[in-house]
Amino acid sequence: QLQLQESGPGLVRPSETLSLTCTVSGDSISSSSYYWGWIRQPPGKGLEWIGAVFHSGDTQYNPSLKSRVTISVDRSKNQFSLKLTSVTAADTAVYFCARENVAGLDYWGQGTLVTVSS
Amino acid sequence: DTQMTQSPSSLSASVGDRVTITCRTSQGINNYLAWYEQKPGKVPRLLIYSASALQSGVPPRFSGSGSGTDFTLTISSLQPEDAAIYYCQKYNSVPRTFGPGTKVEIK
Repeated sequence: QLQLQESGPGLVRPSETLSLTCTVSGDSISSSSYYWGWIRQPPGKGLEWIGAVFHSGDTQYNPSLKSRVTISVDRSKNQFSLKLTSVTAADTAVYFCARENVAGLDYWGQGTLVTVSS
Repeated sequence: DTQMTQSPSSLSASVGDRVTITCRTSQGINNYLAWYEQKPGKVPRLLIYSASALQSGVPPRFSGSGSGTDFTLTISSLQPEDAAIYYCQKYNSVPRTFGPGTKVEIK
């Protein structure tokens, strides 16, 4: 059974960099033909697609965040990561990692709340 | 970017009712549309992909239809456990935008 688990700091200071990692178990990122993505949800609000990475390292980003986002993959650890720079309170959200196939987001992590505050 | 709208933004219906939610896109996306269900405090769950294909394990009371710019999610007989927010998402191109959501409440 495929499982995804987000990890990283729950509190980030304004203007600093948010860094999260998603560990995949039950499947190899390298052997699959999927994109691996990040989605966020501010408290009480809707879902926002941040971007995704293929095991080759190919990335796709939401243009609204592209200047601040980097998504990378570590095949040796079966992980992929999100970095979001210059964060503000508007970046406070639950961050989900998920598997993207040609039919949508079919497996999700449990999500992790990241609060931006001094 | 393609804009996504959903209607209604919320609804209240009784157990056994037929419920229909609409998703519209500002540009045609063929059938590259998915529907998700998110219960309070839970992770979104994929219900429908390719506009009308039922994801494995999803009850058959859920169905989807549409193509191009107009799509619908139908719950044929609403159940108490269907209280949730429902989101559509386009995935034909970047960004893979979600709709604003429709909150379904049980009377």
